[in-house]
Amino acid sequence: AQSVSQHNHHVILSEAASLELGCNYSYGGTVNLFWYVQYPGQHLQLLLKYFSGDPLVKGIKGFEAEFIKSKFSFNLRKPSVQWSDTAEYFCAVNSGGYQKVTFGTGTKLQVIP
Amino acid sequence: GAVVSQHPSRVICKSGTSVKIECRSLDFQATTMFWYRQFPKQSLMLMATSNEGSKATYEQGVEKDKFLINHASLTLSTLTVTSAHPEDSSFYICSALRTSGGAGSQYFGPGTRLTVL
Repeated sequence: AQSVSQHNHHVILSEAASLELGCNYSYGGTVNLFWYVQYPGQHLQLLLKYFSGDPLVKGIKGFEAEFIKSKFSFNLRKPSVQWSDTAEYFCAVNSGGYQKVTFGTGTKLQVIP
Repeated sequence: GAVVSQHPSRVICKSGTSVKIECRSLDFQATTMFWYRQFPKQSLMLMATSNEGSKATYEQGVEKDKFLINHASLTLSTLTVTSAHPEDSSFYICSALRTSGGAGSQYFGPGTRLTVL
């Protein structure tokens, strides 16, 4: 069975700091990987996704994630965070050809002005 | 694009009554939709996979007779919580799968807050 772990539950950063949120998954086959964001009072939105090709994926709002197959990781990064990035971030995975998606427990990011 | 709506956004009902929640994909067709519960400070828990024109697939531990799912069209799936009890109070979220080139991304609705008194 596939599983996803997000090691950071709560991250607090000052504006302009760099961000890296960890995500590791367990599944030996082909995977599709996602990062979703949930801003306060809003619903989940797709931030970026990896299906195949270039392992460095660029998403909206300056976010990017790198798929490292050997480490089973898909960490989310942003070089300089803004107060508006305050939200909860969920990593998710599904195995290729199977549509069920497994979510991590989420990381709450708080950016201090 | 890829907008998913849910109705109602919030519902309060008495114990023993049934509640229907609708999930619609507004600008694309979705043969597959998913229903989740989100508990406070926890991640989304998949309840069931809803397939247009066929029976839903329920996750282990989810009562199919209590949570009735109907995916009657390519843009609508409904979740009916039958004989609701206070422990069914939760945040229910649906998503619709949009596929492209064999792979798909889920697009989420805004959720429905159910409170059972």
